[in-house]
Amino acid sequence: GENVEQHPSTLSVQEGDSAVIKCTYSDSASNYFPWYKQELGKRPQLIIDIRSNVGEKKDQRIAVTLNKTAKHFSLHITETQPEDSAVYFCAASKVWDSTLTFGKGTMLLVSP
Amino acid sequence: GAVVSQHPSWVICKSGTSVKIECRSLDFQATTMFWYRQFPKQSLMLMATSNEGSKATYEQGVEKDKFLINHASLTLSTLTVTSAHPEDSSFYICSAMGGFSYNEQFFGPGTRLTVL
Repeated sequence: GENVEQHPSTLSVQEGDSAVIKCTYSDSASNYFPWYKQELGKRPQLIIDIRSNVGEKKDQRIAVTLNKTAKHFSLHITETQPEDSAVYFCAASKVWDSTLTFGKGTMLLVSP
Repeated sequence: GAVVSQHPSWVICKSGTSVKIECRSLDFQATTMFWYRQFPKQSLMLMATSNEGSKATYEQGVEKDKFLINHASLTLSTLTVTSAHPEDSSFYICSAMGGFSYNEQFFGPGTRLTVL
């Protein structure tokens, strides 16, 4: 089955800095890669996703890049703000199998 | 749009009792619903996948007789934790998928279960 590795497990940055979280996946058939933000005790919220026919996607301060050959994808957050502090999860799935396999999560702490 | 609700948001029960958690898609028909369990400071672990009108598919290691899942309609799925024990204490989250961009799952707010 699919295996998703996520690094780092914790990330501390100063407000205004950029943050990068990286994930690798094992199944070359995976073609959908969402990123979720989860605040303590709340539901995961989709912040951005990318499909395998695209190498990069950007939404304001958030961007995701995908390298299908290397089987890794990354989340980039620029101009970080304290409200970006949360746990971020990457995930992977295939079009014919809706099951999401999640990474272990990255706790991002943005200090003012 | 794409709102998923869960009830209750938290529940405390005695060991040996059963607890039912409801997951509803409020503004769309969910062809598939998923149940996850999340322990503190850990990732979401998929427990089972259910499609309306058919039996749920359980992940390896998840006891189907202990975690009963019913997906009776396109807007409702229930998870019943039978004979709950303290080790079942966790955050249970459902998600639903259907009709939108493929593979996108919409998550419920979660249910915090504490078994005494």
